[in-house]
Amino acid sequence: DAGITQSPRHKVTETGTPVTLRCHQTENHRYMYWYRQDPGHGLRLIHYSYGVKDTDKGEVSDGYSVSRSKTEDFLLTLESATSSQTSVYFCAISATSPGELFFGEGSRLTVL
Amino acid sequence: GENVEQHPSTLSVQEGDSAVIKCTYSDSASNYFPWYKQELGKRPQLIIDIRSNVGEKKDQRIAVTLNKTAKHFSLHITETQPEDSAVYFCAASITDDMRFGAGTRLTVKP
Repeated sequence: DAGITQSPRHKVTETGTPVTLRCHQTENHRYMYWYRQDPGHGLRLIHYSYGVKDTDKGEVSDGYSVSRSKTEDFLLTLESATSSQTSVYFCAISATSPGELFFGEGSRLTVL
Repeated sequence: GENVEQHPSTLSVQEGDSAVIKCTYSDSASNYFPWYKQELGKRPQLIIDIRSNVGEKKDQRIAVTLNKTAKHFSLHITETQPEDSAVYFCAASITDDMRFGAGTRLTVKP
């Protein structure tokens, strides 16, 4: 498996609290992505990065922000979590664009 | 942005039969079409991909076909086995922004 780790793997939080998910890679890949997976919706792109400090919005970016200050780390922040953001979040990396995505193990977030 | 639709949402076949999953995309500029397999509780993993300059690609029991004119592509699995049971996702991409279909849950009955 590609060197990609997500943390935390599981988190339960309350509505209105901030949450940050971290994606860390050891592959030195240029591209990094955050997807959310919900039943019936497949994988939906939240934000992606094409380089350090270079990010762009995906199809479901409202309520989420990202930062990439180093090649290896891509952070996803929910400024004020809502129940609709309960989901499994996957980080992915890619060396080329477009190209094969290597996914992390996922982070299950529950917002009560 | 790109919109990818995938059918069927569920598919059940007998071991040894073939399975076909179909996807359509909206943006004619899309040029990369991968398929991912996700086993229960696991991460999605690439099983095959095709680029827009190719009409068909095979890898052992799996194949993908692309019809650029109609903007659809399909995954074909022959001689299905129980270990093929999983959720399969198609995707389409122009450059950095890769969009996925909603997934097909394939069940192979022994």
